[in-house]
Amino acid sequence: SYVLTQPPSVSVAPGETTRITCVENNIGSKSVHWYQQKPGQAPVMVIYYDTKRPSGIPERFSASNSGNTATLTITGVEAGDEADYFCQMWDNASDHPVFGGGTKLTVL
Amino acid sequence: QVQLQESGPGLVKPSETLSLTCTVSSYSISSGYNWGWIRQAPGKGLEWIGNFYRGGSTKYNPSLKSRVVISVDTSKNQFSLKLNSVTAADSAAYYCARHRESGPFDYWGQGTLVTVSS
Repeated sequence: SYVLTQPPSVSVAPGETTRITCVENNIGSKSVHWYQQKPGQAPVMVIYYDTKRPSGIPERFSASNSGNTATLTITGVEAGDEADYFCQMWDNASDHPVFGGGTKLTVL
Repeated sequence: QVQLQESGPGLVKPSETLSLTCTVSSYSISSGYNWGWIRQAPGKGLEWIGNFYRGGSTKYNPSLKSRVVISVDTSKNQFSLKLNSVTAADSAAYYCARHRESGPFDYWGQGTLVTVSS
């Protein structure tokens, strides 16, 4: 079974770039999706199928997936980006989704 | 814009059955896609509960499989979750979501907090 490992927390100053990783052996062979969850709110999909950005999500959000690491990149971080971020993939063998443990992004 | 809205009791007694309904707007659930339930204990991560697939089948998290039933009422454009024999460990925010085949959960409800307590 898959275990998606994310750092528990990252901190970044406004305007800087931050990267949130999601690690699992050979995750690059899978499609990874990313969600943003602000306090008291439901998760919102910000990236799907590795690099696609839904309409309404700022271009500041981008992602990549290769080898053992999928990465969500946020450029020009804003205070409003402060949230928990979760990665997710589909485990074909067990036919169910797998979520990462989540990363809390703090904007200093 | 697809919208989902959970409804149901916010308080359930231990050993009883948790029942929630998700009402979908601006999209017919019989038109396609899969429909799922995800929960999140306070301060914890996301836990998939199960899916109802457009072909009519269901799939559940193995850790909950013996206690869960997900069903669909296409006439009301709703799908439902029943979780029996609940304990305090089932206290969580419960979300319904639309799911793309083997892909992401692209639309989520706002969530409903369920507390299991006597």
